[in-house]
Formats: sequence, structure tokens, C-alpha cells
Amino acid sequence: GDSVTQMEGPVTLSEEAFLTINCTYTATGYPSLFWYVQYPGEGLQLLLKATKADDKGSNKGFEATYRKETTSFHLEKGSVQVSDSAVYFCALSGGGGADGLTFGKGTHLIIQP
Amino acid sequence: DAGVTQSPTHLIKTRGQHVTLRCSPISGHKSVSWYQQVLGQGPQFIFQYYEKEERGRGNFPDRFSARQFPNYSSELNVNALLLGDSALYLCASSFQPQAGEQYFGPGTRLTVT
Repeated sequence: GDSVTQMEGPVTLSEEAFLTINCTYTATGYPSLFWYVQYPGEGLQLLLKATKADDKGSNKGFEATYRKETTSFHLEKGSVQVSDSAVYFCALSGGGGADGLTFGKGTHLIIQP
Repeated sequence: DAGVTQSPTHLIKTRGQHVTLRCSPISGHKSVSWYQQVLGQGPQFIFQYYEKEERGRGNFPDRFSARQFPNYSSELNVNALLLGDSALYLCASSFQPQAGEQYFGPGTRLTVT
């Protein structure tokens, strides 16, 4: 079945550092890929998405590129802020779209001032 | 506009009991999905409903059931509760059953003792 693997956390960085959170996937067909974020005390929010190979999703300074050849969707940000501290989930949906989202285990990001 | 709402917020039950969780989608959304999130893990897909019909089911036992009402709200029922059912139960809504653009509620925290 489909699966998502993302780097273990917690990841601790200083403010203004460069961020990369790795995500790789296994899926049949041509899935859509997503990053969701869960801020402390809040619900899951869609951060960005990409629906086909070579698409780049971006939002709030975060970017991720759908790489079919490496089955990856790594999340990057050039300069992180304390407010980016949260749990980040990589997820995919299959081509049919009716079987829900498959999530990774999540990466806890801690940004220190 | 109100987001996805879930009730109750917290719930404590004893092994063997039954529980009903409720979800109201964003106004205009016709699809509701349910997820189970165990502490430290990513959400796992349980069910998806669209226009009152089940569109998808994850790998959960028959003790788990759900339904969607004419106003698109939904209930998740779990019978014969086990300790392992302790988790955060998330509801997500979308306009159509396309897994990506899902909007999550805050969740119901279920503790089974």
C-alpha cells in the first residue's frame, strides 16, 4: 500500500537558519503530495500541495517540489522564525481520491531565538 | 465562517463501552472524512463519506462505523472499546471527495481506561 516516510524529530534550529525536512513516498499511480502543519494547540492546516511531477508548492515562505524520479517532496524554508515551531506532516492522496490521505509520522520543529 | 467543529472535545470511557463522536463540516462542504491520530504518529484514515454514501474505508475493524446525515454532519461510532482506541479523532471536510483539499477540525480526545 501507499506509505510516507519523513525524517524523525525533533529538529531544533536557530532563528533565520535554513530548513529542510525530508519526505519520501511509496505509492501506486500518480499521487498528489501535501505538507500539513499542526501548530501548538491548533488543528491540522494545509501548508502547501503539488499535484503532478515537477510541480512546486509554496506558502508562507515554505516550498516543496514534487520529484517523481526520487519519489520525494522535501519541505524547505530559507529563514525560519520562532513562529514556525510546529509539527509538520507530509501526506499523499491516491489517484482515485476516495481513500483518504496517507500521512507520515510527523516532524516536530523547534526554532530557538 | 465557522470551521469544522467536533464534539465532544474530550471523552473518557471504559473498556467495552461504546462511543459516538460528532462532526459538523464547513458550510457548503459535502464530504467528511475521519482519522485516528495516536500520540506521536500521523493521522490514519478511517472513513470518507460523500453525499451520505461511504466512499472509502481504511484498515480498521468492524467495531468502527460511521454515517453522514442529510445536513452533511457525521457521526463516528466505536463499539467494544479497547485501550488501544485511545487517540485523537479528527474530522475533515471538503467540498468534494478529493483527498487533498481537506479542512480539519480540532479533534476529540478519547481516553479508554
